[in-house]
Parts: sequence; C-alpha cells; structure tokens
Amino acid sequence: DVKVTQSSRYLVKRTGEKVFLECVQDMDHENMFWYRQDPGLGLRLIYFSYDVKMKEKGDIPEGYSVSREKKERFSLILESASTNQTSMYLCASSSPRGEDEQFFGPGTRLTVL
Amino acid sequence: SQQGEEDPQALSIQEGENATMNCSYKTSINNLQWYRQNSGRGLVHLILIRSNEREKHSGRLRVTLDTSKKSSSLLITASRAADTASYFCATDSYGGSQGNLIFGKGTKLSVKP
Repeated sequence: DVKVTQSSRYLVKRTGEKVFLECVQDMDHENMFWYRQDPGLGLRLIYFSYDVKMKEKGDIPEGYSVSREKKERFSLILESASTNQTSMYLCASSSPRGEDEQFFGPGTRLTVL
Repeated sequence: SQQGEEDPQALSIQEGENATMNCSYKTSINNLQWYRQNSGRGLVHLILIRSNEREKHSGRLRVTLDTSKKSSSLLITASRAADTASYFCATDSYGGSQGNLIFGKGTKLSVKP
C-alpha cells in the first residue's frame, strides 16, 4: 500500500521558533510538494521538488524554505514561525511517469502562538 | 494562482440523492482530476479525465469534461453518509511545470442519513 507520511499530525510552536515539517514517501516518486490549506483559500503551493537537492518556489514561498537531501524525504522549514503561518500543511508526491496524480499525506495542523 | 473554481461552495443532500459539483478553469489543460478530503485529513485521488475525453465513470462517480467551456462536473450517484467530505478539482497546465497541479477551493458536501 503506497504511503506518504508526515512527521506530526498536530504541532504547537511559539512565535520565532524554527519549525521542521518532515514528509516521507515510499513510492520512489521524483516529485514532491508542500501545500498549505486555509479556510476559504483552498490549497496553495509553497514549494516543490522534481529531484534530490532540487527545489522550486510555488505560489507562496515567503517565510518558508525546503530541503530534499534524499529522494524519499522532503522537509519544510519555517525559519522563524509567525502566527500567520498557523495552518494545515499537506505534503504530496507524484511520478512524472504517471499522469500527475498526487498522493497526499495526512496533513500537519500547525498552530503558532 | 487559482485555476479551478468549484461550484457550489457547499451542498447538502439526503442519503440516496445524487450530488453534482462543477469546476471551471481558465487555461488549456492536459487533464483534470477530482480529489476528496475527509475532515482534517489529506486529499485522496478519485478520478482523472484527459482533455480528449468527454465522460468517464468509476463506480458511483461520473465525470464530464467540456473543454470548449473549460468546465467539468462530478456526479456522485446514490449518495451515502460516508460521501460527506470536501471535493476538489485540480488541473495541470498545458505547457506548464510538469507535475504541478492547481487546486480549486473545493465543494463541501454533506450527506444526511
């Protein structure tokens, strides 16, 4: 059974803290994505990666960075968390050999106090 | 940038009724996908329809695509309480970044037993 896992389902952090959100997929997918989801705004793409050590900015990269040192792992980093980064964060992966179907993790609900 | 827009934003029906959700998009596409999200969880891929297809079925799901109107519809027949979820359409972008999808804001479906 294919799987995308995220390191935490719920996370509470304080303003100014450095936050790491980890995503791991076991499908040998080249493409990995980080989205945030907010009520009324839908899913917005933060960053994506097509290969190891490769990253591209999405629609809302400000305040975030990413790391992809291994093919199966894609990390989202909040350098200095702020309250407006309180959100649901969703990781996804896909294969360029397929038809762009994305497989999603369960999500991390992050609260920044 | 928002490509797909679902309509209606919310839909409430009785168990056994059919549910129809619509999606409009703006640019040429290679394919259009529909996803489901149960409350507080990740998205799950339901069905994909290619730009050269007009209709596709999968179980109780029926998807249509009208590329001349840049619109798609998702029909769920004989709905069940377990169909209660948010439904999102997602489009790739013809000639755009490989693997990237643009999601709409979703239709929240409530099926009452």
